Order: sequence, then structure tokens, then C-alpha cells
Amino acid sequence: DTGVSQDPRHKITKRGQNVTFRCDPISEHNRLYWYRQTLGQGPEFLTYFQNEAQLEKSRLLSDRFSAERPKGSFSTLEIQRTEQGDSAMYLCASSFPKSSREETQYFGPGTRLLVL
Amino acid sequence: DAKTTQPNSMESNEEEPVHLPCNHSTISGTDYIHWYRQLPSQGPEYVIHGLTSNVNNRMASLAIAEDRKSSTLILHRATLRDAAVYYCILRDEGKGGADGLTFGKGTHLIIQP
Repeated sequence: DTGVSQDPRHKITKRGQNVTFRCDPISEHNRLYWYRQTLGQGPEFLTYFQNEAQLEKSRLLSDRFSAERPKGSFSTLEIQRTEQGDSAMYLCASSFPKSSREETQYFGPGTRLLVL
Repeated sequence: DAKTTQPNSMESNEEEPVHLPCNHSTISGTDYIHWYRQLPSQGPEYVIHGLTSNVNNRMASLAIAEDRKSSTLILHRATLRDAAVYYCILRDEGKGGADGLTFGKGTHLIIQP
């Protein structure tokens, strides 16, 4: 399967712990996005990479969140000192668009985080 | 990105056509109209997109009003596997190049056997 993969698929942690999620985009896709989705809501944009450069961050991305894409391939999203409000599905998407207006993003299956 | 409005839910019968509406009265001349859907427990998947002309692909058709203030996603023959949340999204060049997709709550499509 050459789609976007995410690991782990599920994570349960205690409040205050740090967690890290990994996303492997489709090979040669230069754009990579992170989104968060809570129950009953659509996904919300968190941050975006063009190759290894992080070009955009949402106001939702508090200073407890950090994302990296060190070699322009896979990406990690770390949440420090988790809070119960961080419980959500974290989605990764990748693309290789000719233009943003016609861009198709390919999403992974998501990592479901539960903070106890 | 400009705002879209969709019904919260719709119900249809299997093997019948489904018309999912989307209003986007504040659309700009350069916004593309994109549709994604999200099946239960999965990430969203791209369905179709267009600018002015109607578009067809193997998954669906997109009918765009002449004034572009609304559009309709058409599933020609719904199956149980089409039960999902459907999102209508407008997309322009964003802030200097790109930013994330702006999802609303979408339309929850229920397919009755």
C-alpha cells in the first residue's frame, strides 16, 4: 500500500505525559499537513510543511505542540504535557500540487489520542 | 477560505441518485470548489473539484451553478459504502501559497438499504 500511513493508530496516555505521532506521506509528495478532529466536527488545520520547511501554523497549535519533518519525508507531531482537551483524532495528509487551488490532499487513517 | 453551508444530514435509498447541495455565496472568482468525504473511522478522501464547468469522474459529478454561489455533488447510484460525511470546501491560493483545507461540519449522508 503506497498511501499515507500513520503510527500509532491509537494512543492512550495519562494527563501530563508527552506523546509523539509519526506520519509517512506518499513518496515524493512535497507537502505534508497535520489536522486535528474532535467528535462531530470536521478536521481542523494545525500545521503544514513544504519539504522540510514548516510554513504555516494554526493558532490551534499551542506551544505544547511541535512538529518536524527533518529530511522532507516523514513527519512527527509531539504533544508535551498532554491535557484532556488534546483527546482527538490527529490526521496527516500529503500532496504534490501544481497549484494550491487545485491541490488534492491524501489523508492517512489518523491517530486517535485519548488523554485520561 | 470563503464559507460554505451544507445540510447537517441527508438520507437516501441504495441504488438511487443522491444530490448533496452546498451554498457558497461569498465565493471569489478564483476559488475552486472541492469535495471530500470521510467514511466512518477513516481519514477524509478526495472526491472531486471544479471551477466553473460541471465535472465528472468515476466517483461522482459536480454541478456548479452559473453564478457559482452554489454547487451540487451528485452520486449517480448510491451504495451502502457511500455512507459518509461529505465536505464542500473552497480553495484559493491562500496566504502566499498554501494553507490547510477549511472543513465545516459537512453533510452526514445516510444510505438506507
